[in-house]
Amino acid sequence: DTEVTQTPKHLVMGMTNKKSLKCEQHMGHRAMYWYKQKAKKPPELMFVYSYEKLSINESVPSRFSPECPNSSLLNLHLHALQPEDSALYLCASSRLIPGLAGGRLYEQYFGPGTRLTVT
Amino acid sequence: GQQLNQSPQSMFIQEGEDVSMNCTSSSIFNTWLWYKQEPGEGPVLLIALYKAGELTSNGRLTAQFGITRKDSFLNISASIPSDVGIYFCAGPGGNAGNMLTFGGGTRLMVKP
Repeated sequence: DTEVTQTPKHLVMGMTNKKSLKCEQHMGHRAMYWYKQKAKKPPELMFVYSYEKLSINESVPSRFSPECPNSSLLNLHLHALQPEDSALYLCASSRLIPGLAGGRLYEQYFGPGTRLTVT
Repeated sequence: GQQLNQSPQSMFIQEGEDVSMNCTSSSIFNTWLWYKQEPGEGPVLLIALYKAGELTSNGRLTAQFGITRKDSFLNISASIPSDVGIYFCAGPGGNAGNMLTFGGGTRLMVKP
């Protein structure tokens, strides 16, 4: 089973709202990722969690706040977003964060995404 | 950091035709991945390659890890309408090679 689930599928929020995106995987993966994807562009890495600890933050604005409550769950809390933050937000997981060993650790499995619209 | 150049950017082909696309890197890779993304969905891993010269198939899809270790190729034979989507190559990225870097994608459109 290589399934990553994300909720909600679609989200419309105003610039003063607070909302959360949720991601879940049951593959026993210990690395989880948040990506942002604009139309016709590749995914852009936002955050990486390894063993439930934040490992990489790609200089993401603080209005995006990630959380990893346990090894299966990953949340992205949203507050005071801007219209330009409208995008597809993708969650992914991999067995571990790859390093010099590389190889199969680079295999990331993506969820279906949350289509976010900020009005 | 590493950059991946993927070409062509888009292809509009007739059903039944074969398709070829490729990806080149500015540095040597030890892994190449190919993903397909359909509209409104997340990328799906199609093929993973780990050794220079490796040729791997998944149904009508065949991918190759270039012997220079700086390129990879994806071929689709006898295309069908459900092949429509964006195909992304990906490989090691980041300062420590601990994340994925993606090519710009090849958008495939198939005319029935």
